[in-house]
Amino acid sequence: DIQMTQSPSSLSASVGDRVTISCRASQSINSAYLNWYQHKPGKAPNLLIYAASSLHSGVPKRFSGSGSGTDFTLTISSLQPEDFATYYCQQSSSPPLTFGPGTRVEI
Amino acid sequence: QVQVVESGGGVVQPGGSLRLSCAASGFTFGTYAMHWVRQAPGKGLEWLAVILFDASNQHYAESLQGRFTVSRDNSNNTVHLQMNRLGTEDTAVYFCARDHSPWGTARLDYWGQGTLVIVSS
Repeated sequence: DIQMTQSPSSLSASVGDRVTISCRASQSINSAYLNWYQHKPGKAPNLLIYAASSLHSGVPKRFSGSGSGTDFTLTISSLQPEDFATYYCQQSSSPPLTFGPGTRVEI
Repeated sequence: QVQVVESGGGVVQPGGSLRLSCAASGFTFGTYAMHWVRQAPGKGLEWLAVILFDASNQHYAESLQGRFTVSRDNSNNTVHLQMNRLGTEDTAVYFCARDHSPWGTARLDYWGQGTLVIVSS
């Protein structure tokens, strides 16, 4: 199975900050199958970015993704109050589908 | 709008069984694969299973060791997860999610809010 790791595991930030979250795969993956999700407690997870860099419908443009091979990045250009949540990367390049352990973004 | 709503969670004794359901609306259900994902307390997301758009194939996480079965009823826009031989490690919130494709290529574009399963004596 492809193992996904994320760094940092948590971070503290302020409204307006630029935030970068890293995701690393244990082996090279097809970037078409690398996605990012936002999850708030008690809520449904939300797809943010698919295919490493494509913005899902309705997602604010302050979210962006990049990367290839084994290293991927999610960037929030200017953190908003509603962005405090946990973020997960996920690969489906090679079954089974696997998620990263998550990065918690808090104040 | 696209909606998926899970139900069927509750408290079950170790060794018991439970059947979760997921009701979908707002899209042509029979043209999308569907997934189940769970989150144990204090843990991250764990993928469990996918069923293709026409139920022709299902795939499972190896960790389930054959205890869970996913099925779907396209006439009623529902997907189910039958869970048997439950253990305390199965305590989690269980999410249903739509795949953007019929083939389960695993861009999970819409999720429900989850249903809580507690395995306890």
